[in-house]
Amino acid sequence: QKEVEQNSGPLSVPEGAIASLNCTYSDRGSQSFFWYRQYSGKSPELIMSIYSNGDKEDGRFTAQLNKASQYVSLLIRDSQPSDSATYLCAVKGTGRRALTFGSGTRLQVQP
Amino acid sequence: NAGVMQNPRHLVRRRGQEARLRCSPVKGHSHVYWYRQLPEEGLKFMVYLQKENIIDESGMPKERFSAEFPKEGPSILRIQQVVRGDSAAYFCASSPPEGSYNEQFFGPGTRLTVL
Repeated sequence: QKEVEQNSGPLSVPEGAIASLNCTYSDRGSQSFFWYRQYSGKSPELIMSIYSNGDKEDGRFTAQLNKASQYVSLLIRDSQPSDSATYLCAVKGTGRRALTFGSGTRLQVQP
Repeated sequence: NAGVMQNPRHLVRRRGQEARLRCSPVKGHSHVYWYRQLPEEGLKFMVYLQKENIIDESGMPKERFSAEFPKEGPSILRIQQVVRGDSAAYFCASSPPEGSYNEQFFGPGTRLTVL
């Protein structure tokens, strides 16, 4: 079992729709969770961080965390073609500062 | 407000040569991390350093790779006797000192090509 799992996609949604990206993790003691966006050939860009169960909203982005189910998700409302990228889920494991990344989900927003 | 800086952005080496990658963290950040992204693969942690100390090198290959973060100057990732399999994008990230939730901010990366 991979430590951080994501569906590789591509996830294709029409412009204006809600994109839902999911991630599961294996380390039950993990405390910090992050979503990064990576455009092709570029570096990862931090877009959301979440530490407590529940929802956290920032503009069009909402991160959701359920520690009991070891599940974290990212919702992108009113998706735009410029949101087309690979979204990386990252988890800070128990007692470590290093991040463990999922393999990423490629999102395609169709105009 | 400068972010994480890395140089060179692109580096070409022949097999057997040495590669030196440099990283300057965000001003005020004292924690530096190196990650590697092989073609079509995810980001993999290599090493975590604070000034003058290697804290976690669990992701670093045992041979040919070394890292440092001296008291003055940038962090250096050094790869000796490079092989074709070292071709990858190497990213440096930095985070604020202890007490934060460890948000890590990435530099633009160094793309290493080994001929």
